Amino acid sequence: EPEVTQTPSHQVTQMGQEVILRCVPISNHLYFYWYRQILGQKVEFLVSFYNNEISEKSEIFDDQFSVERPDGSNFTLKIRSTKLEDSAMYFCASRRRTGGNPEAFFGQGTRLTVV
Amino acid sequence: AQSVTQLGSHVSVSEGALVLLRCNYSSSVPPYLFWYVQYPNQGLQLLLKYTTGATLVKGINGFEAEFKKSETSFHLTKPSAHMSDAAEYFCAVSDEGAQKLVFGQGTRLTINP
Repeated sequence: EPEVTQTPSHQVTQMGQEVILRCVPISNHLYFYWYRQILGQKVEFLVSFYNNEISEKSEIFDDQFSVERPDGSNFTLKIRSTKLEDSAMYFCASRRRTGGNPEAFFGQGTRLTVV
Repeated sequence: AQSVTQLGSHVSVSEGALVLLRCNYSSSVPPYLFWYVQYPNQGLQLLLKYTTGATLVKGINGFEAEFKKSETSFHLTKPSAHMSDAAEYFCAVSDEGAQKLVFGQGTRLTINP
């Protein structure tokens, strides 16, 4: 069964460093997402990406964050200068299309720890 | 804007007992509703979804949920709890045109032997 894969599963970084979280969405999916879950809190939407551009972003997704689909298979989230409060589980998700079968398929997550 | 409220951050039931996890939503357009489960140190797995049609939807692992428009609810039930059901459960709302899911706070389900 196709699945969304994320790497690494856990990343520890020093405050102020740049990190790139990587995702390989399901191959025939068209919509891609990043969500985050701070420990003990709910899952929050960060950004959606369609047709090689951001289609929606939350207020959390400020200038420190960027997304890219560099090669038609990978989907990355970059945090330019990490802060302690960026520590969270980051989930990538993809879905084939809106309407019809709208469910998003989630990866296993990357746990980011900023020290 | 859409929102989800899950009543009860922690629910504890005995093995074999009924599981009831409550979810209420707010949406100005016909909603799509989802329940996801998160086992420890794992990602989010779709349990079931409601889009249109039959209001009682069945999912994996014996779970089901009923969409009640008049009550703006989408409660998750399972007739008989199993130890393997212990996990965090998230209700989420979207709609036909939406790009994103809006999640509730989650409910941690504990099963007592």
